[in-house]
Amino acid sequence: DVKVTQSSRYLVKRTGEKVFLECVQDMDHENMFWYRQDPGLGLRLIYFSYDVKMKEKGDIPEGYSVSREKKERFSLILESASTNQTSMYLCASSFPGRSPLHFGNGTRLTVT
Amino acid sequence: GQQLNQSPQSMFIQEGEDVSMNCTSSSIFNTWLWYKQDPGEGPVLLIALYKAGELTSNGRLTAQFGITRKDSFLNISASIPSDVGIYFCAGQDSNSGYALNFGKGTSLLVTP
Repeated sequence: DVKVTQSSRYLVKRTGEKVFLECVQDMDHENMFWYRQDPGLGLRLIYFSYDVKMKEKGDIPEGYSVSREKKERFSLILESASTNQTSMYLCASSFPGRSPLHFGNGTRLTVT
Repeated sequence: GQQLNQSPQSMFIQEGEDVSMNCTSSSIFNTWLWYKQDPGEGPVLLIALYKAGELTSNGRLTAQFGITRKDSFLNISASIPSDVGIYFCAGQDSNSGYALNFGKGTSLLVTP
């Protein structure tokens, strides 16, 4: 079974803090993705990576950056957290090409 | 990414009833997928469709890839209480590194 593990289920941070969300997958997938999920808006793509040290912007990259130093790990970074970044963050991974994405259980981030 | 139109937004049905939901897009996708999300969890893949016209079943679930490649539907037969959750359609194409474009979800409630 594919396992995508997000390091925290819940996080509470203050405005202006630097926040790291970590994601690890154990299936040797090349592709990894970060989405955020908000009520009424569905899932929106923030960043994705198709190889180590490679990254591509998704639909809403502003205010975020990512790091992929190892194949199994993809980190989402909020350089200076703001209240409008309060959301559920979902990490996913897949093989290249037409391959389904497998999701972690999400990190619910609250920025106060 | 492409915006998918998923309907209905929510459904409130009785146990034993059949359910139908659909998804349309303004552009063509190579792959359609259906996911289910339980509260506090990440989306879990239900069915993946890879060919126009393809009809695939997974237990009581049946999904079809539309001939135009711009739509898909999901049917659930004889619903049970554990079918409760949010169902997402997703289209996949090569333009965004095979990231998924999601619908906004259909929230399903089943009463015993």
